[in-house]
Amino acid sequence: AAGVIQSPRHLIKEKRETATLKCYPIPRHDTVYWYQQGPGQDPQFLISFYEKMQSDKGSIPDRFSAQQFSDYHSELNMSSLELGDSALYFCASRFQGKVGGTANTGELFFGEGSRLTVL
Amino acid sequence: SQQGEEDPQALSIQEGENATMNCSYKTSINNLQWYRQNSGRGLVHLILIRSNEREKHSGRLRVTLDTSKKSSSLLITASRAADTASYFCATVRSNDYKLSFGAGTTVTVRA
Repeated sequence: AAGVIQSPRHLIKEKRETATLKCYPIPRHDTVYWYQQGPGQDPQFLISFYEKMQSDKGSIPDRFSAQQFSDYHSELNMSSLELGDSALYFCASRFQGKVGGTANTGELFFGEGSRLTVL
Repeated sequence: SQQGEEDPQALSIQEGENATMNCSYKTSINNLQWYRQNSGRGLVHLILIRSNEREKHSGRLRVTLDTSKKSSSLLITASRAADTASYFCATVRSNDYKLSFGAGTTVTVRA
């Protein structure tokens, strides 16, 4: 079965550079989530999209932006990178269906993550 | 914060023993989920327990939920070396369905 695909798997950048991470959700999933996980930390919610519209925002820095495209893939853009941005970035997807419906309470399917190292 | 707090932070057991970890949370939930993460890999969903359920089983996993105490436990029976991983609980809030992760328990199973 198709899973969530993230690219690139590994990325090395210098401080103040820009990075873009991509996420391809499971087919027919309409909701995408981005999480950041620092070393030894729990996943921190950054932002989510439902049907190509931002649905929720977490602890995402102003230097970061994200969007979901018409084919439901999502991109996380990170600018003016700092050393503290070094982390695993996970994308997750699920089928939410109707907003507020019971379908949006189910499990998330995670990608393998993109490891960003900022030097 | 809605994030669950997990206890213990780390657990080391012998193969064949049982591993128990706990998760506490703060607000009303729709369901609670447990995920496993192997080092540097993505999180994998293990089991979901709804707020009106008290216990659920899946293979060697047993999850309990006590909504009055706002806590859940995950029991892994007859542990194997392959169970070595970090385990996270995640709560789905009942008012806005927001999912939040706890800090995780790192389990090491010694052969």
